[in-house]
Amino acid sequence: DAGVIQSPRHEVTEMGQEVTLRCKPISGHNSLFWYRQTMMRGLELLIYFNNNVPIDDSGMPEDRFSAKMPNASFSTLKIQPSEPRDSAVYFCASSLRTGGGNTIYFGEGSWLTVV
Amino acid sequence: AQSVTQLDSQVPVFEEAPVELRCNYSSSVSVYLFWYVQYPNQGLQLLLKYLSGSTLVESINGFEAEFNKSQTSFHLRKPSVHISDTAEYFCAVSEKGSQGNLIFGKGTKLSVKP
Repeated sequence: DAGVIQSPRHEVTEMGQEVTLRCKPISGHNSLFWYRQTMMRGLELLIYFNNNVPIDDSGMPEDRFSAKMPNASFSTLKIQPSEPRDSAVYFCASSLRTGGGNTIYFGEGSWLTVV
Repeated sequence: AQSVTQLDSQVPVFEEAPVELRCNYSSSVSVYLFWYVQYPNQGLQLLLKYLSGSTLVESINGFEAEFNKSQTSFHLRKPSVHISDTAEYFCAVSEKGSQGNLIFGKGTKLSVKP
């Protein structure tokens, strides 16, 4: 079975540019998560969706960040405009929410560098 | 609010030595507990998890963790490590009855030396 698929794997962009990260969750999963990983702050939950609906976006750093999930098989995380401090690894993850203790499956991450 | 503390950011050990990676959590309700492993340049993978029942849980590659409710701990152990265990290990907690999102600790980098 295919796992969580993220694209691009690596992106280098200039400050001020728009960045769009893409995610395809595991087929049949009904929860999707976006995490950010940095050396300083570790793993941070940015936003998560249940059944394509955003449940908690309190982790989104600021208005420059937005996330969408137009259908069960696709999600995007957009940064506009990007800044050097956004440089990080962004992970998408999905799970089948059945009542608790669900395993969350991670993609391999999108490595973003903003110069 | 729930939180996870991993006291050791780095743990260097020699091959075939035992290792313990410490994890403590804080929560006002019952929780599920997880250990994830991240190999270099990869995403996180589930190593083991505690949901209920026996407080000792094991992984397929020889790791084990014990849930201690009184000490709010979920330490990860392995009696004899291999070079291939070199990775970063993350402890995570999910509150029962929540939406299922995980709160992660800051991770412990395990370096196994020959």
